[in-house]
Amino acid sequence: EAGVAQSPRYKIIEKRQSVAFWCNPISGHATLYWYQQILGQGPKLLIQFQNNGVVDDSQLPKDRFSAERLKGVDSTLKIQPAKLEDSAVYLCASSLEPGMNTEAFFGQGTRLTVV
Amino acid sequence: DAKTTQPNSMESNEEEPVHLPCNHSTISGTDYIHWYRQLPSQGPEYVIHGLTSNVNNRMASLAIAEDRKSSTLILHRATLRDAAVYYCILRDFLAGGTSYGKLTFGQGTILTVHP
Repeated sequence: EAGVAQSPRYKIIEKRQSVAFWCNPISGHATLYWYQQILGQGPKLLIQFQNNGVVDDSQLPKDRFSAERLKGVDSTLKIQPAKLEDSAVYLCASSLEPGMNTEAFFGQGTRLTVV
Repeated sequence: DAKTTQPNSMESNEEEPVHLPCNHSTISGTDYIHWYRQLPSQGPEYVIHGLTSNVNNRMASLAIAEDRKSSTLILHRATLRDAAVYYCILRDFLAGGTSYGKLTFGQGTILTVHP
């Protein structure tokens, strides 16, 4: 089966610019996660969707980050305006209903460099 | 969120067994124990999960203490391809819980495998 697709793979932008990342989860997966992984650290959950509703966005910097999951399928994560400290790998993951307790599948990630 | 504690790093020789420990003394009755690993420049990948009983799959074995306050991931014969960061995660499977389905990563254990 096809995995979690993310694009772009790499992005370099200047601070104060905006950027968007796209994620296409595995077909039929109701749960979608966005993570931020700074070099040398574990992934940090930014937002979790259940279908097209937000379950958890407690660690999303809402003054500059936004995410949506239209129709409960694809998702986009946006940063506007970007700061130097946003340089990181942004990972998208998906899984079936959490109650089924199956594994989450991760994409390759988008490496963002803010200069 | 329930927390896990893992050693920062461990080393092993190729073709020897590896035991990766994890402490989770505040685990709740609705938490499953999940293990993921992250190879260099890739997104995390699922390894194994369990609730109370020991579990085996093609990748590894999971030994869970009787009181569930600790667990051990066992790689029976380490290979160079097993060199990765290993994450022990508690995942709540109770619908309606505030951390339902959430995957919270810690720092993980960096496993180095020597030829």
